[in-house]
Amino acid sequence: GQQVMQIPQYQHVQEGEDFTTYCNSSTTLSNIQWYKQRPGGHPVFLIQLVKSGEVKKQKRLTFQFGEAKKNSSLHITATQTTDVGTYFCTGTYKYIFGTGTRLKVLA
Amino acid sequence: NAGVTQTPKFRVLKTGQSMTLLCAQDMNHEYMYWYRQDPGMGLRLIHYSVGEGTTAKGEVPDGYNVSRLKKQNFLLGLESAAPSQTSVYFCASRSTSNLYEQFFGPGTRLTVL
Repeated sequence: GQQVMQIPQYQHVQEGEDFTTYCNSSTTLSNIQWYKQRPGGHPVFLIQLVKSGEVKKQKRLTFQFGEAKKNSSLHITATQTTDVGTYFCTGTYKYIFGTGTRLKVLA
Repeated sequence: NAGVTQTPKFRVLKTGQSMTLLCAQDMNHEYMYWYRQDPGMGLRLIHYSVGEGTTAKGEVPDGYNVSRLKKQNFLLGLESAAPSQTSVYFCASRSTSNLYEQFFGPGTRLTVL
């Protein structure tokens, strides 16, 4: 069946450093969504990408959808302590969520 | 608007007991979902519904049943709880638009002893 893997599983960064998480699907996705879950909280929608090669920015966050629509990335510039949490990707097919990347930011 | 609410927030069961988790949304969404999240892991879809009176199996449906008698409510039932069902359960809903944004409830933390 379809699998959605994310790397890395964990990432510790110093505040101010950049961070990138990668999402890889075993099948082509019609679109992809990214969510953030703070420790002890629930997932919150960040963004949806639809087009091949699409790039979207939200302040310090940059999202990219691969040309083959099988992978995606989330890049955070100059991390802050408010970025702490787990970042998940998901394609709409059978609502398979990625394994998540847990980000810790050291002040 | 309350968004998506879940009751209860916490529950401890003994093996073999039954319980029902309630999810309610006030956004008039057609689609509703039940997920489970185990420690350090992602979300796995249990069951979902694309409208009142309809339900479908997700990735991990065994041991669970659901009902969607009213559009705003989605119930998740455990008939005979097992320790393997210890988890955090999230309910979510979304509209039928092309934006696949799911709105999640705060979660129910269930422990089965």
